[in-house]
Amino acid sequence: SQLAEENSWALSVHEGESVTVNCSYKTSITALQWYRQKSGKGPAQLILIRSNEREKRNGRLRATLDTSSQSSSLSITATRCEDTAVYFCATDAGTNAYKVIFGKGTHLHVLP
Amino acid sequence: DPKIIQKPKYLVAVTGSEKILICEQYLGHNAMYWYRQSAKKPLEFMFSYSYQKLMDNQTASSRFQPQSSKKNHLDLQITALKPDDSATYFCASSQGWGGSQNTLYFGAGTRLSVL
Repeated sequence: SQLAEENSWALSVHEGESVTVNCSYKTSITALQWYRQKSGKGPAQLILIRSNEREKRNGRLRATLDTSSQSSSLSITATRCEDTAVYFCATDAGTNAYKVIFGKGTHLHVLP
Repeated sequence: DPKIIQKPKYLVAVTGSEKILICEQYLGHNAMYWYRQSAKKPLEFMFSYSYQKLMDNQTASSRFQPQSSKKNHLDLQITALKPDDSATYFCASSQGWGGSQNTLYFGAGTRLSVL
């Protein structure tokens, strides 16, 4: 089973709409990261949110973290076709972990 | 310019052969990683290295051997290749070692097909 997992396999929205990708995780974490992977490329980090933070923004992106429910969300406003990608949440396996574990990803399609 | 260089971009191998995947990072990072991505298992952690020392190994098979000749190099040797090894292999690096407080920077990947 996954340490962190997105709640949707795929989402479709039309350009200009907002969309939220949700993630749940299983352990106590130090931080949670959101990555985006476009077709044929490696993943690229969007936001890193630490366990003592509740919200983090990066342009049109907003990440939230709820440690009580062990969940996080990534919201994208005013979506564009170039936001089409796979979105991953990722976290570690504990304070002494030497690895970051990724969820299975949510495929987001932004339609014209 | 890409700061993490993976070579080759595409690789075709026959079952039973051996291949080496190359990774060099020019970000001055201290930790490097290998991940594997296939249709069956999305973005799976394989190894982490810090200062050329193996920190974590999640790969059950000894057919996969990371090799670090320099601090900014982490190659991946795969022996006795099987069709199930077909995947895209990503190299990544981070400034610090450890878990999710460190941003991972990924290369473009090596797409391996084993026939």
